Order: sequence, then structure tokens, then C-alpha cells
Amino acid sequence: QKEVEQNSGPLSVPEGAIASLNCTYSDRVSQSFFWYRQYSGKSPELIMSIYSNGDKEDGRFTAQLNKASQYVSLLIRDSQPSDSATYLCAVNNRGSTLGRLYFGRGTQLTVWP
Amino acid sequence: NAGVTQTPKFRILKIGQSMTLQCTQDMNHNYMYWYRQDPGMGLKLIYYSVGAGITDKGEVPNGYNVSRSTTEDFPLRLELAAPSQTSVYFCASIRLAGGPTNTGELFFGEGSRLTVL
Repeated sequence: QKEVEQNSGPLSVPEGAIASLNCTYSDRVSQSFFWYRQYSGKSPELIMSIYSNGDKEDGRFTAQLNKASQYVSLLIRDSQPSDSATYLCAVNNRGSTLGRLYFGRGTQLTVWP
Repeated sequence: NAGVTQTPKFRILKIGQSMTLQCTQDMNHNYMYWYRQDPGMGLKLIYYSVGAGITDKGEVPNGYNVSRSTTEDFPLRLELAAPSQTSVYFCASIRLAGGPTNTGELFFGEGSRLTVL
């Protein structure tokens, strides 16, 4: 059973703060990691992908991967009310078909003004 | 360029009825997928296809069937609908990125919300 676990929410932060979202995965052969943002009633949209240990930065978003600890996180700096959404962590395993992802349940983030 | 288009957006079925969720993409993507999302849960893969004529099961295929006769279309058929199939269904296709880490980016349709009563 491949499992992807996300820290339970909801998470609430003030505007301008750093939001930290965490995800752990059970399958050691996982090789590709994704963070999707999903607004209420909408479809998921990819915001970050990471494949190697370390940090990857894209604007206000930073993804961090530690394969030894089977842990991936997403930091959102200078959080904005428009960041309020559910964030889904997803993984793809080595040898799996492209796009065959295992998703966590998501962490709901609220950024208040 | 409409991306991934799903129809219908909403549907209510009675137990035992059958229906087909339609999905079409105009991006010439070879890989297409059907995921379902239950309330408060992540997405689970039902079926996927890597090209016309080729389909395979995902995590939760029971109660569903698919076909892929063209690159553009990937319909999902529900036979004998059950309350457990009440969910939001997302069709997705993949754009293959270049380079060694060719894992691609999933493009999702807007979703089809199905209720089985």
C-alpha cells in the first residue's frame, strides 16, 4: 500500500507569514514529487515539482525534498489571501507510468488579511 | 485551445443506472487519466491510457470501464452505479517535459460531480 500523508489541517496563517506544508511518503522507490493547489470546487493545478534532494525555489514557493527521511515540504513565503486553498502532495514511483500519481488527502490553508 | 474538456459537469444517477463521462483534449497529449476525488480525500487513479488502443487499470478500477479509440477522447463508463461511486471525477492528460526528469505535468479538466442515490 503506497501511502502519502500530509500534516493535518486546517492551517491558518496571517498575510505576509510563511506557510509550511509537510508530506511524508511510504514507498522508498518514489522518485518524483509534486505539489498541487486546489481551490474549492476547482481542479488541481501544479505549482511545484521536485526530483532531487534539497531545495527548489520558484517565486514565493520553495519545495524541499529529503529522500532519506521520505519527506517533502512546501514553504510559501509572504503568504497572500489568494493562497488560501487545499494543497495536495503527490508522488510518482520509479518505473511507474508517467502521471500515475499517489496523492495525499491535502492540507487546507487559510491566509487571513 | 480548450485544454481538457469534461462533460457533464454534474449528474445525478439512480442506483443501477449506467452512464458515460466524456473527456476530450485538444493538446495532442498521448497520456490520459481518470482520477476520482472523494470529499476530504486525495485523488485516486481509476484508469489511464498511454495512447489510442492502450488502457490500463489504476488503484480503483472496479465498477468502471474505459476505451481509447482516438488520441483526443478518453470516456469513462460507469456500469450499475452504486452510492460508493458518488465522487468528483477528473480527467487529465500529460505534457511530456524535456530532459532526463521527464515526468510531465498533469493538466486536469474541470471535473464531473456525480451523485448516486
